Amino acid sequence: EVVLTQSPDTLSLSPGESATVSCRASQSVSNDFLAWYQQKPGQAPRLLMFGASSRAKGIPDRFSGSGSGTDFTLTIASLAPEDFAVYYCQQYGTSPRTFGQGTTVEMK
Amino acid sequence: EEQLMESGGGFVQPGGSLRLSCAASGFTFSSHAMSWVRQAPGKGLEWVSVVSGSGDRTFYADSVKGRFIISRDNSKNTLYLEMTSLRAEDTAVYYCGKDSYPHTYGYSNYLGQGTLVIVSS
Repeated sequence: EVVLTQSPDTLSLSPGESATVSCRASQSVSNDFLAWYQQKPGQAPRLLMFGASSRAKGIPDRFSGSGSGTDFTLTIASLAPEDFAVYYCQQYGTSPRTFGQGTTVEMK
Repeated sequence: EEQLMESGGGFVQPGGSLRLSCAASGFTFSSHAMSWVRQAPGKGLEWVSVVSGSGDRTFYADSVKGRFIISRDNSKNTLYLEMTSLRAEDTAVYYCGKDSYPHTYGYSNYLGQGTLVIVSS
């Protein structure tokens, strides 16, 4: 299976700063089928990005995704208070689908 | 408005069985593959299974293969997960997900609020 490793595990930032989360795959992600999810405590995960760089419906444009092959990045341009959460990457190009371990973006 | 409502979670002993359901509304159910994703307490997300829109194709995580069966009833707009030979490590919140396409090679673009399964003696 494709193993996804996110870095860092935790990001401590202030509102207005930018956040960068990395997701590295153990092998090339087929068709760059890489998604990003946001999860807040007690809530279901919410889709942010799909196809590595396409924003899901209703997602603010301060969120962007990039990368291909084995290296992908989620960038949040200017953190809003509601962006402090856990972020997961997931590849869906190869079965079984797999998730990264998660990155917590916490308020400094 | 799209809605997914999971049910059927609860407390079960190791080796026992449980059937989860997910009632869908607000979209054309048969036009979307459906998935299950779980999250153990305090842990990350783990993909469990997917079924195609027509119900003819299914895939499973290795951790549940041979023990869990995913199915759907398009006439009732309902997704199921039949779980047998349950283990302590199956303890998790189970989320039902609506996939982006009718085939199984997509991503979940909406997930329900989840149902908690606790496996313990």
